[in-house]
Amino acid sequence: AQSVTQLGSHVSVSEGALVLLRCNYSSSVPPYLFWYVQYPNQGLQLLLKYTTGATLVKGINGFEAEFKKSETSFHLTKPSAHMSDAAEYFCAVSDRVSFQKLVFGTGTRLLVSP
Amino acid sequence: DTAVSQTPKYLVTQMGNDKSIKCEQNLGHDTMYWYKQDSKKFLKIMFSYNNKELIINETVPNRFSPKSPDKAHLNLHINSLELGDSAVYFCASSQGEGSRYGYTFGSGTRLTVV
Repeated sequence: AQSVTQLGSHVSVSEGALVLLRCNYSSSVPPYLFWYVQYPNQGLQLLLKYTTGATLVKGINGFEAEFKKSETSFHLTKPSAHMSDAAEYFCAVSDRVSFQKLVFGTGTRLLVSP
Repeated sequence: DTAVSQTPKYLVTQMGNDKSIKCEQNLGHDTMYWYKQDSKKFLKIMFSYNNKELIINETVPNRFSPKSPDKAHLNLHINSLELGDSAVYFCASSQGEGSRYGYTFGSGTRLTVV
């Protein structure tokens, strides 16, 4: 079964600094990978996804992620953090046994200080 | 115009009661889901329906019963509520293979059992 590990339950950065949120996956077949963002008291919003093709994917709000098969990673980055980026971020991998199911990581809370 | 809407947003109830959460999507998607997010923010799938047919039923107590009257609606009924049912319940929808295209989430229902 697929699984996702997000390293670091909390990540703190200063405004304007690089954001790096780590995600490693486990899958016996080529995965589909996703990053979602959850703002306080809201639902999850899709940031970006990798299915096939280009391994560097760009998403909304200036975020991007790179699929590295050799490292089984899909880390999320943003060159310059903004206060409005403070939220919970979830990495997810498709469960290729059940094509409808996404398996989520435990989330990383991004804190942005002025 | 909300894409995936859940009602109610907050639900406080006593142990032993029966309650329902409603979900509607206006995206024309054919698959809908219920996810449970616990106090540690961990997201776990409960159920999935495709065109009114149940396709995923994870290990969920049979006190939880989903119902899909049509492909735009997926409701969740919970009998004999327990303290451990306190969580945020998210409805989501997808077109086709949710694990390829990702989900659109509702804003969640925070259930508190006292």
